[in-house]
Amino acid sequence: DAGVIQSPRHEVTEMGQEVTLRCKPISGHNSLFWYRQTMMRGLELLIYFNNNVPIDDSGMPEDRFSAKMPNASFSTLKIQPSEPRDSAVYFCASSLGTGNSPLHFGNGTRLTVT
Amino acid sequence: DQQVKQNSPSLSVQEGRISILNCDYTNSMFDYFLWYKKYPAEGPTFLISISSIKDKNEDGRFTVFLNKSAKHLSLHIVPSQPGDSAVYFCAATEFGNEKLTFGTGTRLTIIP
Repeated sequence: DAGVIQSPRHEVTEMGQEVTLRCKPISGHNSLFWYRQTMMRGLELLIYFNNNVPIDDSGMPEDRFSAKMPNASFSTLKIQPSEPRDSAVYFCASSLGTGNSPLHFGNGTRLTVT
Repeated sequence: DQQVKQNSPSLSVQEGRISILNCDYTNSMFDYFLWYKKYPAEGPTFLISISSIKDKNEDGRFTVFLNKSAKHLSLHIVPSQPGDSAVYFCAATEFGNEKLTFGTGTRLTIIP
């Protein structure tokens, strides 16, 4: 398997623009997670889905952030409008969804908002 | 409120010696702990885990120790190799819960 695939790898945008990050989980994995990495806070869970249904979105910073999982092989994280403080590396991860099965992370999207 | 803390942002160790990475947690409900390793420009990869019914788990050169009363765990790497240079994240959760809480990471550098 190719692993978790994220696109784009890098995104540079101006404040106020809409940003869409994409993720393709590992086939057969039932859970999908969006994490954000910053120096100050490490890896923060934003939202996670199980069988395409959002289970916990308590980590989503504010209404500017939204995530969808229209089917088992695709998810998006959207920021509208983007702000400079959103600059971070965003990771998508997937797992089998059985108890404490390990998370498999993608290589991340580095977002820079100027 | 940082429930999982890695107080050492960085650590340098001579090749062949022991590397010890530390992690503290505050949430008493956490009973399952994991370590992930991250290379630059890549996502974290799972390394080793331990549940609270044990105080030690070993996998090759990697051993994780858990001290429940102190709410402290540590990762020992013996002997350290250049390929171990990476950022190490500690994570915690309740057993059966997929929602992981991560620390801020420790950058380990192995000096040849």
